[in-house]
Amino acid sequence: GQNIDQPTEMTATEGAIVQINCTYQTSGFNGLFWYQQHAGEAPTFLSYNVLDGLEEKGRFSSFLSRSKGYSYLLLKELQMKDSASYLCAVIPNYGQNFVFGPGTRLSVLP
Amino acid sequence: DTAVSQTPKYLVTQMGNDKSIKCEQNLGHDTMYWYKQDSKKFLKIMFSYNNKELIINETVPNRFSPKSPDKAHLNLHINSLELGDSAVYFCASSQGQGHYGYTFGSGTRLTVV
Repeated sequence: GQNIDQPTEMTATEGAIVQINCTYQTSGFNGLFWYQQHAGEAPTFLSYNVLDGLEEKGRFSSFLSRSKGYSYLLLKELQMKDSASYLCAVIPNYGQNFVFGPGTRLSVLP
Repeated sequence: DTAVSQTPKYLVTQMGNDKSIKCEQNLGHDTMYWYKQDSKKFLKIMFSYNNKELIINETVPNRFSPKSPDKAHLNLHINSLELGDSAVYFCASSQGQGHYGYTFGSGTRLTVV
């Protein structure tokens, strides 16, 4: 089976840095995505990792370690608008659809 | 212009009714999907179509029937609605199998009473 784990909820303060972890056990690995979903809205694409290492994109960075089945999303200089759910998703094998994790609900406090 | 648009945004209906949700994408993508997001916020694949052909059909009751008249449209018809069908249904599209990411529609919140 395919299994993806993330913390259910996290809280952080405006201006701080937060790291959201994702671990996966899947039948294969063909890429990992992070999506942001605000309440009542569609998920929107944040990042894609297929090789080990850190991908930086403005205030957001995503890290992947394939040998450990582990990724994290790093959010810097948190803003109130970053309060949302963050979904980790894996493509197990080429041609298969995404498997989504349960999402981490991040609350940013003033 | 909305890239992936689905209608209606909200749907409240009684048990036993039949309803349809429509989805259209103007991105020129060749693959479209239906996902269900339940109250626990899990996003689960239901169906995937590539160029109008069904390529993924997860374990979904046969009361759910997708229809793709062309590669820009993927509709979802649900017969004999049940309380447990209440969820948010997301349409999405991608080029190929999604290695460049999915673009999601804004979702249809279905409430069965």
